Amino acid sequence: DTAVSQTPKYLVTQMGNDKSIKCEQNLGHDTMYWYKQDSKKFLKIMFSYNNKELIINETVPNRFSPKSPDKAHLNLHINSLELGDSAVYFCASSQEWHPNTEAFFGQGTRLTVV
Amino acid sequence: RKEVEQDPGPFNVPEGATVAFNCTYSNSASQSFFWYRQDCRKEPKLLMSVYSSGNEDGRFTAQLNRASQYISLLIRDSKLSDSATYLCVVSLPTNAGKSTFGDGTTLTVKP
Repeated sequence: DTAVSQTPKYLVTQMGNDKSIKCEQNLGHDTMYWYKQDSKKFLKIMFSYNNKELIINETVPNRFSPKSPDKAHLNLHINSLELGDSAVYFCASSQEWHPNTEAFFGQGTRLTVV
Repeated sequence: RKEVEQDPGPFNVPEGATVAFNCTYSNSASQSFFWYRQDCRKEPKLLMSVYSSGNEDGRFTAQLNRASQYISLLIRDSKLSDSATYLCVVSLPTNAGKSTFGDGTTLTVKP
């Protein structure tokens, strides 16, 4: 069983479309994250949720909206997709909202906007 | 200055070599430090935490130098399977939930 699973794994879509990426973790963790890794491989945090509450919202366009229906799920909805949104998006989770805690990553969603 | 800086490499070494990477961080209040490994087109995975006293896990040794604000990763007797990108991660105590990743150091171990 995959600990942190994301769907879809690949997503190709046209500019202007709206798309969602789903993430689920079965580890019983309290904290979940979304990271973006661009073509230069830089991994940047976008959002962090602890017990379904938004804790961190980095400088991300408001076209990106995370939704956490419960502790095990953190979905990412993107409106009006732009070419620059093309990247790999990683969901992750950690046991608690604490700096010493290991993060477990999903396999990533490779988004290509054309 | 970036919060976390790594030499991007690439480091190309022969099998059996010893290789070391450094990672510098800018905020002296940083509390937690990790090394993650990311294989090509895969997700990052924790390699090891870095403790104040330094720690070792098999062929891998991690050290922290708070005075100079850097952490290091030493790999002894490199294997082909060590080829990957190594990401340094730093966390502040007041920013729990936000870990800053370095841009990674790419290692290629050749036969």
